[in-house]
Amino acid sequence: AQTVTQSQPEMSVQEAETVTLSCTYDTSESDYYLFWYKQPPSRQMILVIRQEAYKQQNATENRFSVNFQKAAKSFSLKISDSQLGDAAMYFCAYRSLNAGNMLTFGGGTRLMVKP
Amino acid sequence: EAQVTQNPRYLITVTGKKLTVTCSQNMNHEYMSWYRQDPGLGLRQIYYSMNVEVTDKGDVPEGYKVSRKEKRNFPLILESPSPNQTSLYFCASSSTRAIYEQYFGPGTRLTVT
Repeated sequence: AQTVTQSQPEMSVQEAETVTLSCTYDTSESDYYLFWYKQPPSRQMILVIRQEAYKQQNATENRFSVNFQKAAKSFSLKISDSQLGDAAMYFCAYRSLNAGNMLTFGGGTRLMVKP
Repeated sequence: EAQVTQNPRYLITVTGKKLTVTCSQNMNHEYMSWYRQDPGLGLRQIYYSMNVEVTDKGDVPEGYKVSRKEKRNFPLILESPSPNQTSLYFCASSSTRAIYEQYFGPGTRLTVT
């Protein structure tokens, strides 16, 4: 079974600065998807960014980008120009192509943004 | 508007009193699933369904039941709730053609006393 680990329970960043959230995973599969989800106080789960394992290029969505290191099984999220609205819980998730559509989540990182 | 809805959003109940949390999606998605979220554990899958009348266990199915009689609905049933089922529950759906993205419902906060 796959496991996803987020080693930072909490992180803080100054507004307009850059922060990186860490995620590592364990799998024996060669093809899979990785995601970062944002959960604001409203509790809604919002997809931030996704990465297909077969793609070498790191995914980017506006101020959000990832550093995908397949050999190291690492998938970190970089938030540039942090905004107050970025404050939330962030979850890293893994999706196997062989287990239906099940997502395996990490324990989450709470991001605080200081004005 | 494409969405996943859950009802109720908040529920406080007592041990042993059967309850159902409903989930409905209007996107004609084949795949639906239930997760529970607990502090430090992220979201863990309870049950999932690949299509009508097709359901399977996730990581933490004990104490839960599901059914998928219609494509749009996927209710979660707790036959005899216990305090360790106090949690935040999410329903999610996705299309098998766009398997990389799951749409989540707003969550249901359940407290069992």
